[in-house]
Amino acid sequence: SAVISQKPSRDICQRGTSLTIQCQVDSQVTMMFWYRQQPGQSLTLIATANQGSEATYESGFVIDKFPISRPNLTFSTLTVSNMSPEDSSIYLCSVTGTAVDEQYFGPGTRLTVT
Amino acid sequence: DAKTTQPPSMDCAEGRAANLPCNHSTISGNEYVYWYRQIHSQGPQYIIHGLKNNETNEMASLIITEDRKSSTLILPHATLRDTAVYYCIVISGYSTLTFGKGTMLLVSP
Repeated sequence: SAVISQKPSRDICQRGTSLTIQCQVDSQVTMMFWYRQQPGQSLTLIATANQGSEATYESGFVIDKFPISRPNLTFSTLTVSNMSPEDSSIYLCSVTGTAVDEQYFGPGTRLTVT
Repeated sequence: DAKTTQPPSMDCAEGRAANLPCNHSTISGNEYVYWYRQIHSQGPQYIIHGLKNNETNEMASLIITEDRKSSTLILPHATLRDTAVYYCIVISGYSTLTFGKGTMLLVSP
């Protein structure tokens, strides 16, 4: 299994600012994903972070709002830009494991926007 | 369109078996059934997956009906730490996971 860490674990931010969340994996992985979990809701996929190319965004999510970087096979960042209170959520990264489609998730970053 | 249907909540007594059902009547031949769970304030955790045969690992057993239209996740001896939301997900290949509402399992003493 892959061990995933995220920084920060939580943050309180002011409206209009941006926050960059880091995801570090202890081994090289093919695919990395970013999810959002709004309060009391299930997880929603934001995008697939591709190494060496632009991220692939799901419907309803755009690069200007959620820019993603993936400089290598063990690291990715998600930026939540120009934040509003509606962005208050838990943001999680996940990676593919060694088995077919088995995914491992990080502990999440709890973001509160005031 | 939801690919799976799960009861919103279930209760189980500690030490007893927890049987969590999932309906996936539109599953296609190349789609796997995956189970994840999310304990409060943690990221989801992979439990088990299967294609058509029953599967067992150290965490749980997965029983898939012969027509593959439904499955059951079995936690043989539930503990309080098994209290979580359990997600049944149907995917093929290197597809992305789509999480539904899942089943909230409450294990009580």
